[in-house]
Amino acid sequence: EAEVAQSPRYKITEKSQAVAFWCDPISGHATLYWYRQILGQGPELLVQFQDESVVDDSQLPKDRFSAERLKGVDSTLKIQPAELGDSAMYLCASSPSGGHTGELFFGEGSRLTVL
Amino acid sequence: QQQVKQSPQSLIVQKGGISIINCAYENTAFDYFPWYQQFPGKGPALLIAIRPDVSEKKEGRFTISFNKSAKQFSLHIMDSQPGDSATYFCAAFTSGTYKYIFGTGTRLKVLA
Repeated sequence: EAEVAQSPRYKITEKSQAVAFWCDPISGHATLYWYRQILGQGPELLVQFQDESVVDDSQLPKDRFSAERLKGVDSTLKIQPAELGDSAMYLCASSPSGGHTGELFFGEGSRLTVL
Repeated sequence: QQQVKQSPQSLIVQKGGISIINCAYENTAFDYFPWYQQFPGKGPALLIAIRPDVSEKKEGRFTISFNKSAKQFSLHIMDSQPGDSATYFCAAFTSGTYKYIFGTGTRLKVLA
């Protein structure tokens, strides 16, 4: 069964360091999402891509966060510099577009701890 | 208007009991309402979903009830099992923008 791949699964970093997360969506899925999930809360959208284009990054803290999906396939989310409040699970999800059924497929997430 | 309100925050049910989780929304543009199940350390996985032209959908022990006029929908887990212990998120989706809004989650514990 096709899966959304994410790495690393766990990352511990010190405040002010740079971190990067990688996501490889299910093959053929044009829509890719990065979510942040704080413990005990629901996922919150950071950025949404349609192919290589950003559709929505209104909730992305652009002074420190950046995201790219250069060839419309895999994607990278970067934080520079990391802050204590960035400790969370970063979830990547993908979905097919066109005949979009609404189903969202999540990866297992990257858990970030900022010390 | 973009929020999805979910309750309760946590729920404890005896094995074999019925678990009920409720969600409410305001934006009538939402046209797909999924429920996701998340185990600790894992990403959410789709459990069951419904479109607003249907009032109920059942898959095994899981049922969604949908009340379009009240803008509410709920998840019922019949014959709850310890393996159902997880966090459940409702969500609302707009097909025009491919946007999902998630509820805050319900942590379910089913006692053996």
